[in-house]
Amino acid sequence: GQQVMQIPQYQHVQEGEDFTTYCNSSTTLSNIQWYKQRPGGHPVFLIQLVKSGEVKKQKRLTFQFGEAKKNSSLHITATQTTDVGTYFCAGPSTSGTYKYIFGTGTRLKVLA
Amino acid sequence: SAVISQKPSRDICQRGTSLTIQCQVDSQVTMMFWYRQQPGQSLTLIATANQGSEATYESGFVIDKFPISRPNLTFSTLTVSNMSPEDSSIYLCSVGHRGRDYGYTFGSGTRLTVV
Repeated sequence: GQQVMQIPQYQHVQEGEDFTTYCNSSTTLSNIQWYKQRPGGHPVFLIQLVKSGEVKKQKRLTFQFGEAKKNSSLHITATQTTDVGTYFCAGPSTSGTYKYIFGTGTRLKVLA
Repeated sequence: SAVISQKPSRDICQRGTSLTIQCQVDSQVTMMFWYRQQPGQSLTLIATANQGSEATYESGFVIDKFPISRPNLTFSTLTVSNMSPEDSSIYLCSVGHRGRDYGYTFGSGTRLTVV
């Protein structure tokens, strides 16, 4: 079945270091979404990418959609303690419109 | 984006009983979904709640175990029936607007513990 994998599963960084999580889909995606879930919280939508090779920036966060539209990445520059949480990518399900399959997630811990 | 009120926020239930989780949205939404998230894990889609018709369940989830209602475009319930400890998890409702680049909005979740 359709799978969306993320690596790494966990990442501990010193505050100020950069961080990258990679998302790989078993199928070609029409778009990809990214969410952040703080510890004890619920997922919060960050961004949606639609075009092949698209790059979007939100302050220190850079999102990229692969040329083949099967992978994506999220890069955080100079991490802060407020970046702590789990980052999920999500792609549309092949079995139905508007349903999204979530990636396995990358849990980020930032050490002050 | 929509504001969702989900309740209860948490509950501890005896095995064999049922719990109904409510999700109230402050505006009409076309799409509403129910997810399950086990501690430290990703989100697994349970079903799509369809207004005025039966929910559409994902593989591994059945209506007898997780009956869902959606009487209108702002409200849905998920019932976890005949609970066992394996049902202990966080249950989240999620809503989206067709054609809008807002992503999906999630409720705050219901943390269920079955003892």
